[in-house]
Amino acid sequence: KQEVTQIPAALSVPEGENLVLNCSFTDSAIYNLQWFRQDPGKGLTSLLLIQSSQREQTSGRLNASLDKSSGRSTLYIAASQPGDSATYLCAVLKRGGNKLTFGTGTQLKVEL
Amino acid sequence: DVKVTQSSRYLVKRTGEKVFLECVQDMDHENMFWYRQDPGLGLRLIYFSYDVKMKEKGDIPEGYSVSREKKERFSLILESASTNQTSMYLCASRPWTENTEAFFGQGTRLTVV
Repeated sequence: KQEVTQIPAALSVPEGENLVLNCSFTDSAIYNLQWFRQDPGKGLTSLLLIQSSQREQTSGRLNASLDKSSGRSTLYIAASQPGDSATYLCAVLKRGGNKLTFGTGTQLKVEL
Repeated sequence: DVKVTQSSRYLVKRTGEKVFLECVQDMDHENMFWYRQDPGLGLRLIYFSYDVKMKEKGDIPEGYSVSREKKERFSLILESASTNQTSMYLCASRPWTENTEAFFGQGTRLTVV
């Protein structure tokens, strides 16, 4: 059974800092990995999707990397801003499957 | 702009009531999903549907049923609401193609009293 872990569970950084969020998964037979953002009391917003054949995907200040063989992905946020404060979730789509398996998220707070 | 819309943001129901949560997507996606999200437990899949009138149980289907009569609409039904079904409910959709994103609705915060 696929298990997805995100460390740390919570993170607090000063504004302007570059930071890395981690996601690890136990079964490397995946189609893709997706990063989401969730604001308190709201739904999930898709940030990046990285396919199993890709190593990196970028969108603005966000960069996601994928090392399928080691079962790891990182989300890099450059020059963090208070507006980046949210919970970040990763999810993997298993090869041959139809369902996403989610990590429990990293709650990020960017302070002024 | 792609959209998944859930019918209510907040809902308060009494124990024993039959509750309907509605979700509509405008992207012609084949797959639709219902999750619940609880502190410390993350997102757990309740049911999903890969086509009209087709459904499959997720990880925690007990106490729930679903209906998909039209491609764009996926309903979650609580046959007899209980207090342990108080939660945030999230609907999502995704096309069949493997390397495409899943999109989520804004969530329904259900409280059962």
